Amino acid sequence: EVQLVESGGGLVQPGRSLKLSCAASGFTFSNYYMAWVRQAPKKGLEWVATISTSGSRTYYPDSVKGRFTISRDNAKSSLYLQMNSLKSEDTATYYCARVGTHYFDYWGQGVMVTVSS
Amino acid sequence: NIVLTQSPATLSVTPGESVSLSCRASQSISTSIHWYQQKSNESPRLLIKYASQSISGIPSRFSGSGSGTDFTLSINRVESEDFSIYYCQQSYSSLYTFGAGTKLELK
Repeated sequence: EVQLVESGGGLVQPGRSLKLSCAASGFTFSNYYMAWVRQAPKKGLEWVATISTSGSRTYYPDSVKGRFTISRDNAKSSLYLQMNSLKSEDTATYYCARVGTHYFDYWGQGVMVTVSS
Repeated sequence: NIVLTQSPATLSVTPGESVSLSCRASQSISTSIHWYQQKSNESPRLLIKYASQSISGIPSRFSGSGSGTDFTLSINRVESEDFSIYYCQQSYSSLYTFGAGTKLELK
């Protein structure tokens, strides 16, 4: 059974940093692209980052490019999201997702990040 | 960026009705559209991939169609468990985008 479990969320002040983790199990992690998708309170879904199987290629929307960094450790079956220079508009539930052929076929339960002073 | 416009924003129906949800892309994206269902306080779930391809474990009453810029998610005879928010997502560009969602609610 595919499982994705996020951790590392919490309350953080504007301008500070936070690192999210996602522990994957139930599939061969190194064979799949992975991604982060977020959802602000009462809002829709927003794709945040994608990483290739080896980690050599990464993709970001303009809203987080230069501030967020996605990475992975295939030996640990883990995905990460380093978030720097956080803004109030980054407040959201962050989901770790497995990428099928360019669609998100499995999702974690999500982790809440609140950016507030 | 490719913009996806979903309509209507809210659809009020009674169980047993059949419905169609629309997703329109700002440019032609072939069949690179995927549909998700998100129930209240749950993670999204993949329903349909590449416009019309079914997903294992998803009830057969869900189907998708379309190509180019206009796409439709159809639900044949809505059941109570289907009242949720539905999102479309494009993968024609490596910069993925989602539509704003259509809320299917009980009339």
